[in-house]
Amino acid sequence: AQKVTQAQTEISVVEKEDVTLDCVYETRDTTYYLFWYKQPPSGELVFLIRRNSFDEQNEISGRYSWNFQKSTSSFNFTITASQVVDSAVYFCALRDGGGFKTIFGAGTRLFVKA
Amino acid sequence: DADVTQTPRNRITKTGKRIMLECSQTKGHDRMYWYRQDPGLGLRLIYYSFDVKDINKGEISDGYSVSRQAQAKFSLSLESAIPNQTALYFCATSDPGGRNPDEQFFGPGTRLTVL
Repeated sequence: AQKVTQAQTEISVVEKEDVTLDCVYETRDTTYYLFWYKQPPSGELVFLIRRNSFDEQNEISGRYSWNFQKSTSSFNFTITASQVVDSAVYFCALRDGGGFKTIFGAGTRLFVKA
Repeated sequence: DADVTQTPRNRITKTGKRIMLECSQTKGHDRMYWYRQDPGLGLRLIYYSFDVKDINKGEISDGYSVSRQAQAKFSLSLESAIPNQTALYFCATSDPGGRNPDEQFFGPGTRLTVL
């Protein structure tokens, strides 16, 4: 069965600190896709990144970076120099390559204080 | 204009009432989904549809029904609402033939409260 675990329920940091959000997944499929979504206080879901299981290259987008490690089944998300606008709930998600269901983690609520 | 819209955005209703949540999309995607979000549980799939003639149950379909009236419209119904259906509901679309076939595009959500 597929499963996504985001063990951190809430994280609180002070602006300009770096913060890493953890995501651990379980799947028996060799082909799968991992995602991160951001849900700001307004409630909408914002797509951040998609990574397939054959691409373990880390990715950087501005202050955001993602570390994908198949050996530990983890897909962690780091925000560098956090800002108040980063305050949101962040969801990690998993979809198998041949399927259509996306399994979401429970989410991590990030508070960035000024 | 938003590509995926949901109406209503907020709804308060009473136990036993029938409720319909509507989703429309202008993205031309064949696949549409309904999720509910509960605190601490993330998003869970209620129903999904691959095209107008194809509707499938997700992991928590009990108490819900759906209708795919057209490629662009996918409605979720609660025939007899109960308080534990109080949640934030999201509609989503995806395009299996698109550049990012596994990316889902979400609507803004409908906050439903059942008293």
